[in-house]
Amino acid sequence: EADIYQTPRYLVIGTGKKITLECSQTMGHDKMYWYQQDPGMELHLIHYSYGVNSTEKGDLSSESTVSRIRTEHFPLTLESARPSHTSQYLCASSSQGRNQETQYFGPGTRLLVL
Amino acid sequence: GENVEQHPSTLSVQEGDSAVIKCTYSDSASNYFPWYKQELGKRPQLIIDIRSNVGEKKDQRIAVTLNKTAKHFSLHITETQPEDSAVYFCAASRGYGNKLVFGAGTILRVKS
Repeated sequence: EADIYQTPRYLVIGTGKKITLECSQTMGHDKMYWYQQDPGMELHLIHYSYGVNSTEKGDLSSESTVSRIRTEHFPLTLESARPSHTSQYLCASSSQGRNQETQYFGPGTRLLVL
Repeated sequence: GENVEQHPSTLSVQEGDSAVIKCTYSDSASNYFPWYKQELGKRPQLIIDIRSNVGEKKDQRIAVTLNKTAKHFSLHITETQPEDSAVYFCAASRGYGNKLVFGAGTILRVKS
């Protein structure tokens, strides 16, 4: 079934650790996005990619980095996690075409940095 | 760049009543306006969208209206049910090659 997958779903980790949040989609989409969502609800765009080898920073400054080596895969990495990184991270994808702007979200990763 | 404001931030209604959430946008070139519903602990999901060449769109109990002149659009939910309780996000985009800009979200509580 076409979907967006995120792993892990929950992660508790200590300060200073390097972490990678995985995002894969079987939707056949070319565009992918990472959002940070705090308990205050707002969705903040932190990274996006319009295709392989294309990555851009979003509207909210983030210490994380991303890569897009394969169309279906868009991992997010934090080199040194800090308590301020505690949040929910949502991956999304969209496609070109008539409904190109419609974004579909993954289930999210809840990160807690101690 | 685009800025989307969403009101109210919280909304409580009695089951069976109607709920209205309003959004305003700043970029007159925006032409696509989706609405997402996020239930507790779940991912945001598209529930309805409208393009700038249409003034109103309905899907069963939900409808969206767009006023391009005033640069605002609204989500209307009629005959609300407890399962409508969720966070609702509006968004706007210029379309091809442009990102979605989201509103801050509205917590809707339907009391039974």
